[in-house]
Amino acid sequence: SQTIHQWPATLVQPVGSPLSLECTVEGTSNPNLYWYRQAAGRGLQLLFYSVGIGQISSEVPQNLSASRPQDRQFILSSKKLLLSDSGFYLCAWRGEEGTAYEQYFGPGTRLTVT
Amino acid sequence: AQSVTQPDIHITVSEGASLELRCNYSYGATPYLFWYVQSPGQGLQLLLKYFSGDTLVQGIKGFEAEFKRSQSSFNLRKPSVHWSDAAEYFCAVGVVMEYSGGGADGLTFGKGTHLIIQP
Repeated sequence: SQTIHQWPATLVQPVGSPLSLECTVEGTSNPNLYWYRQAAGRGLQLLFYSVGIGQISSEVPQNLSASRPQDRQFILSSKKLLLSDSGFYLCAWRGEEGTAYEQYFGPGTRLTVT
Repeated sequence: AQSVTQPDIHITVSEGASLELRCNYSYGATPYLFWYVQSPGQGLQLLLKYFSGDTLVQGIKGFEAEFKRSQSSFNLRKPSVHWSDAAEYFCAVGVVMEYSGGGADGLTFGKGTHLIIQP
């Protein structure tokens, strides 16, 4: 069965510091992968999605970037964090063709920028 | 552009009572529709999904939802709630995105409904 991992689980970083969040998926190959952010009291906002290695599409302009160096690895980065980057970051992979394309989410990373 | 509205930010229900969470969507094509549940500090768990066929779909944990095209709604129901159902519930619509000739389906989420269970 498929499993999705995210780390770290929690992170506290000062403003202006770099960021690297990692997501890996097991049990599937060539998945579509997604990064979402959930701010306090708000819904989920799609940040990036990827259909394959090195293929990244950004949905929201911001100081964040994403990369996909391996088939089942998706990384969210920033060179300089802002206070507004605080939130709960969720990685997801998409179900196979022929399903409802449902997405399955990882456990998330809680980022606090101080 | 697609959108999802969950008109109830908070709902309080007594344990054992029935539950209905409302969801309305706006999307130009036939939607894929989903309900997810999130416990505090956790990721999202898929409760149920709809993309074709029977408009009444069954999910996990005793939940069901009914797709009503005429009302652009996909309301979630449960006949008898348990204290463990207290959580945040999100409705989402799946849309098709184009990328370099391929396709990727992203989800647009509502802002969520916080369910409180009274003993």
